Amino acid sequence: DAKTTQPNSMESNEEEPVHLPCNHSTISGTDYIHWYRQLPSQGPEYVIHGLTSNVNNRMASLAIAEDRKSSTLILHRATLRDAAVYYCILRDVKNSGGSNYKLTFGKGTLLTVNP
Amino acid sequence: GAVVSQHPSRVICKSGTSVKIECRSLDFQATTMFWYRQFPKQSLMLMATSNEGSKATYEQGVEKDKFLINHASLTLSTLTVTSAHPEDSSFYICSASLAGEETQYFGPGTRLLVL
Repeated sequence: DAKTTQPNSMESNEEEPVHLPCNHSTISGTDYIHWYRQLPSQGPEYVIHGLTSNVNNRMASLAIAEDRKSSTLILHRATLRDAAVYYCILRDVKNSGGSNYKLTFGKGTLLTVNP
Repeated sequence: GAVVSQHPSRVICKSGTSVKIECRSLDFQATTMFWYRQFPKQSLMLMATSNEGSKATYEQGVEKDKFLINHASLTLSTLTVTSAHPEDSSFYICSASLAGEETQYFGPGTRLLVL
């Protein structure tokens, strides 16, 4: 799967929006963009995923650049519970089923939320 | 939402003993389960992928005879760390996915400490 680049850390204030960037310049046409987050001492949690169009769910929004070489995870109003490591992962959808559903985690972005 | 549990949540064992970790999908049938390991301040590393009723596929560098994986049913996978040593101390996390779905559902993790 193609590689992603994220800032090591970001800081935000409670109740303010947070924009977490991810660069994936080598993305292929069949790569889905996934975001997961991991709170301290817990397993990761699915946040959102998309292919080409922007996506919204109750947790966040995903804005995908027109050329798909970058994306941004948007938390509309950060809370203290959003403090976590956020992982941007590409998964090649043409390799479907079994072991090819695997996710390759990078280092992610450590988000700190200030009260 | 889909829930994945792990048991035990933490375990301490003596060097040379074997430890079994269970991963269960509580409200869905998981066609594929994944096992990850995470050392302190590092990202998740995939160890193996298992499909119900078939042998697990191990990632390069993971010893299949040391980390035994059994996926006997669509709701249960087990990871047995055989002859554990202090360097096996880590946070072990499982995840499960449904056929045709992009999302992986993660368990809360099992912290293993080998003395």
